[in-house]
Amino acid sequence: GAVVSQHPSRVICKSGTSVKIECRSLDFQATTMFWYRQFPKQSLMLMATSNEGSKATYEQGVEKDKFLINHASLTLSTLTVTSAHPEDSSFYICSATPAASGGSETQYFGPGTRLLVL
Amino acid sequence: GENVEQHPSTLSVQEGDSAVIKCTYSDSASNYFPWYKQELGKRPQLIIDIRSNVGEKKDQRIAVTLNKTAKHFSLHITETQPEDSAVYFCAASSGGYQKVTFGTGTKLQVIP
Repeated sequence: GAVVSQHPSRVICKSGTSVKIECRSLDFQATTMFWYRQFPKQSLMLMATSNEGSKATYEQGVEKDKFLINHASLTLSTLTVTSAHPEDSSFYICSATPAASGGSETQYFGPGTRLLVL
Repeated sequence: GENVEQHPSTLSVQEGDSAVIKCTYSDSASNYFPWYKQELGKRPQLIIDIRSNVGEKKDQRIAVTLNKTAKHFSLHITETQPEDSAVYFCAASSGGYQKVTFGTGTKLQVIP
């Protein structure tokens, strides 16, 4: 149980284009999902907390107009990187906490999306 | 906000030896401390976690200790095996649906 998927797993795009990444909880409902970015040989840096039915909460330094987050249902959150630039190239990972866990802290991670902006 | 420091950044041990990774945190409100293992290009996998009402937890070859007074927690891996080679991250959270703050990671290499 507690499986999280991400799509696509890899994407290459041209500078200036937008890329949408989907995060789905496959066998549970997630009130809250988290989006992380991980550069090579570095830790996971939280970008934003995605709450179903409300606006996402962004971490300091993360541009909300550049990284658009939509959490339209209890099983799906999307991250759109708008006007992507080469410096946005990174590994993007989402995680989700089961809503039925009663506030359990355990986060289940998706497999990640590797973005390369040319 | 929370700040989690992790040491060492790299660790090489001989197969069969023990490995210890240490973390400190800054926010006294943190009460949940998970440890994740991440293989290259893969998602982080939860390997063990501990809550602040417990001082130690063990699961086969893996154990975690917590000193809440000193804001220290550690991961202990005994009888290491080559498949234990990966990057390990400690993390801290104030619980519930709160965000988790990750440490900087430790690259563990187990030499056969």
